[in-house]
Amino acid sequence: AQSVTQLGSHVSVSEGALVLLRCNYSSSVPPYLFWYVQYPNQGLQLLLKYTSAATLVKGINGFEAEFKKSETSFHLTKPSAHMSDAAEYFCAVSGYNTDKLIFGTGTRLQVFP
Amino acid sequence: DTAVSQTPKYLVTQMGNDKSIKCEQNLGHDTMYWYKQDSKKFLKIMFSYNNKELIINETVPNRFSPKSPDKAHLNLHINSLELGDSAVYFCASSWKSSGQETQYFGPGTRLLVL
Repeated sequence: AQSVTQLGSHVSVSEGALVLLRCNYSSSVPPYLFWYVQYPNQGLQLLLKYTSAATLVKGINGFEAEFKKSETSFHLTKPSAHMSDAAEYFCAVSGYNTDKLIFGTGTRLQVFP
Repeated sequence: DTAVSQTPKYLVTQMGNDKSIKCEQNLGHDTMYWYKQDSKKFLKIMFSYNNKELIINETVPNRFSPKSPDKAHLNLHINSLELGDSAVYFCASSWKSSGQETQYFGPGTRLLVL
């Protein structure tokens, strides 16, 4: 069985500040991990994914995430927030034996000027 | 040249009605999905099809019936709509039915049942 926990349903940062969105996973098989972003009234767009290659994954819009097996974590970071980063962010997990994506409950990121 | 498109974008209907949502992808992908996003933004998979064949069928009421006429289309028909069916329904597609494949999402269909 697989699951994802996103700590913090809301995160607020100032423009230019570090963005840190937390994701912990549980998986009985080696996981594949994803971060998706959803802008208001839009579909989901992939930011980045981990599929058992490099543990530090770089994505679009300056985001990156690090897979830490010992901590069962896949936290999303960005060094400097922009106003345009305000959106809902979803962490998701799947495995080698299934393409069923299990999503976390999402974290809403607000960016203040 | 939208990759994954859904129609309609908005759907308002009365309880008890039957409605359909259409999805088309022009990415040449083999696998398509339906997800439901509830009012708290929680996303859950409903179905997946690979080359027109049903692969995943979550515990969804049998009032929901997906149909895949070809691998570029996956439609969702809902019978006897209930208030609890109000949600945003997302279609998605991927190259193949594999856990590491990126799923590409459509813009969503916002269903409101009155």
